[in-house]
Amino acid sequence: DIQMTQSPSSLSASVGDRVTITCRTSQTIDNYLNWYQQKPGKAPKLLISAASSLQRGVPSRFRGSGSGTDFTLTIGSLQPEDFATYYCQQSYSTPQTFGQGTKVEIK
Amino acid sequence: EVQLVQSGAEVKKPGESLKISCKGSGYTFTSYWIGWVRQMPGKGLEWMGIIYAGDSDTRYSPSFQGQVTISVDKSINTAYLQWSSLKASDTAMYYCAKLKTGTHINYGMDVWGQGTTVIVSS
Repeated sequence: DIQMTQSPSSLSASVGDRVTITCRTSQTIDNYLNWYQQKPGKAPKLLISAASSLQRGVPSRFRGSGSGTDFTLTIGSLQPEDFATYYCQQSYSTPQTFGQGTKVEIK
Repeated sequence: EVQLVQSGAEVKKPGESLKISCKGSGYTFTSYWIGWVRQMPGKGLEWMGIIYAGDSDTRYSPSFQGQVTISVDKSINTAYLQWSSLKASDTAMYYCAKLKTGTHINYGMDVWGQGTTVIVSS
């Protein structure tokens, strides 16, 4: 299985801050990396697929980058509705493992 | 509107069997993969496996192989996740999700069900 290392596990930030979450994989996965947002009591929501392709309807302040083994999700200017837990997922090979999650909390 | 609607919450005893469902609508069900994801209380997401609704081609995570069975009834656009003998450690929220593209499994899960809570307790 491909191992995922997502960091940090949690962070505190203020509205308007720029936030960066990283995801590292144990082997190269080309660009087959997805990012999800999950709010409490809700199903996850796909934000970005193929490392940098923004899903329709997702605000442009979300940006994904990277390839190979190192990937980044950046939120350009944190908004109140962005406080949530974010997960990366590799879809290069099965099992399509998820990262451990990053909880973004209000400072 | 593309949506997946899951069956309701279940409370079962250890050793009992269970089959939960996920009904797709608003798209060509048989042209896409459906996946199942576990989320234990207060924990992260775990990929369990996927099934192609057109021909029932199934891929399991080694962690779940032999522990659950994923199936599909394409005549009613419904995917299933079943257990033959539940354990307390199966207590979790289970999500089904549609994979984004039809032929490729590489682009994530773009539509999710609302989740089914399974509680296993004596």
